[in-house]
Amino acid sequence: EDQVTQSPEALRLQEGESSSLNCSYTVSGLRGLFWYRQDPGKGPEFLFTLYSAGEEKEKERLKATLTKKESFLHITAPKPEDSATYLCAVNSGDDKIIFGKGTRLHILP
Amino acid sequence: NAGVMQNPRHLVRRRGQEARLRCSPMKGHSHVYWYRQLPEEGLKFMVYLQKENIIDESGMPKERFSAEFPKEGPSILRIQQVVRGDSAAYFCASSREEGTFYEQYFGPGTRLTVT
Repeated sequence: EDQVTQSPEALRLQEGESSSLNCSYTVSGLRGLFWYRQDPGKGPEFLFTLYSAGEEKEKERLKATLTKKESFLHITAPKPEDSATYLCAVNSGDDKIIFGKGTRLHILP
Repeated sequence: NAGVMQNPRHLVRRRGQEARLRCSPMKGHSHVYWYRQLPEEGLKFMVYLQKENIIDESGMPKERFSAEFPKEGPSILRIQQVVRGDSAAYFCASSREEGTFYEQYFGPGTRLTVT
């Protein structure tokens, strides 16, 4: 069964303390992996798409990487405004989008 | 440069009533997706539509739920005879390209409360 698992469920960091969020997946044939940010009471905001192992993308303090089994979202020197839930989603070989439950990130000033 | 628009943002219905949720995709997007999000749960795919066509409704309950995307006007997600378990946030997303291979842009959601 296709599955997306994100870890940790929640993460508290001090401002400036870098860390990584994990998204591991088991799908029949990956056709794309997506990262989104979701603030409370709002819709997910698109961040990155990764299509093949070894691919990396960056945006400000965020960097997403992809291997054959998982993706990491690295956050460098985070600020309080980076606090949000980060969602990972995959497009599997049968063209289904499957979302993980997300990682709730809280950056303390 | 309007994004995906959804209305209403909040909807309260009594058990047995009908709920109608509307979604206008981003300009230039002709593919619409509906998702449901329960507290502490991930987004669950419900249905994928193009203009006048339902492409994939495999995530939508067989009864009481229907969706359409007419030639003119917004996409509508309709829930008949709502029950308490239908209480959730419903998100609409749109994409420019055909198929779920491409990134989707989400609206702010409609929060449905069934009393």
